Amino acid sequence: DTGVSQDPRHKITKRGQNVTFRCDPISEHNRLYWYRQTLGQGPEFLTYFQNEAQLEKSRLLSNRFSAERPKGSFSTLEIQRTEQGDSAMYLCASTSPKVRNEQFFGPGTRLTVL
Amino acid sequence: SQKIEQNSEALNIQEGKTATLTCNYTNYSPAYLQWYRQDPGRGPVFLLLIRENEKEKRKERLKVTFDTTLKQSLFHITASQPADSATYLCAPFPSYNTDKLIFGTGTRLQVFP
Repeated sequence: DTGVSQDPRHKITKRGQNVTFRCDPISEHNRLYWYRQTLGQGPEFLTYFQNEAQLEKSRLLSNRFSAERPKGSFSTLEIQRTEQGDSAMYLCASTSPKVRNEQFFGPGTRLTVL
Repeated sequence: SQKIEQNSEALNIQEGKTATLTCNYTNYSPAYLQWYRQDPGRGPVFLLLIRENEKEKRKERLKVTFDTTLKQSLFHITASQPADSATYLCAPFPSYNTDKLIFGTGTRLQVFP
């Protein structure tokens, strides 16, 4: 257990529905990252925050995806009008301001879109 | 575009032997490179970081090399154990201007007793 938690761990939804995932980073970590991972692939970067500011967003991320970190603590990732291609593991990671290179990952949220 | 290649085929070795995993990258020059371990259904776990000016880095039974000329990193596990069975991900850090990681596809290691 790295100290990063994600909720829910599993989500099954029907195509066209909206889903929201939550990530709680390690408390003193100021940077928070979202990745997506499909079977047989490495994690793919989606976006990251420093405190509440969203610093970078992948060009691969469609307009249906949005992420927030309103108070610089937990973060949410929302997917609107889900598609079957959105089925993946969504991973959250955080880093300490003192050791920015090492990312601590949560257990992930497994999304299945039917 | 930036590309990271790791052996997609699983590496099967006998307990006690040294496992060697390869990471090749093209079209960029990372300032440093990280290796992560990932078990099924779990998030990656950081193992080692090696900088461009370091040729080799060790941590217990792990050793990483970084050849910026060949654009390659090798990851070694000596005296391998069945508990080392997992997928190992390479992540060359793209630049100083971003903190995002770009991961390779990973290599699955299976250590047999």
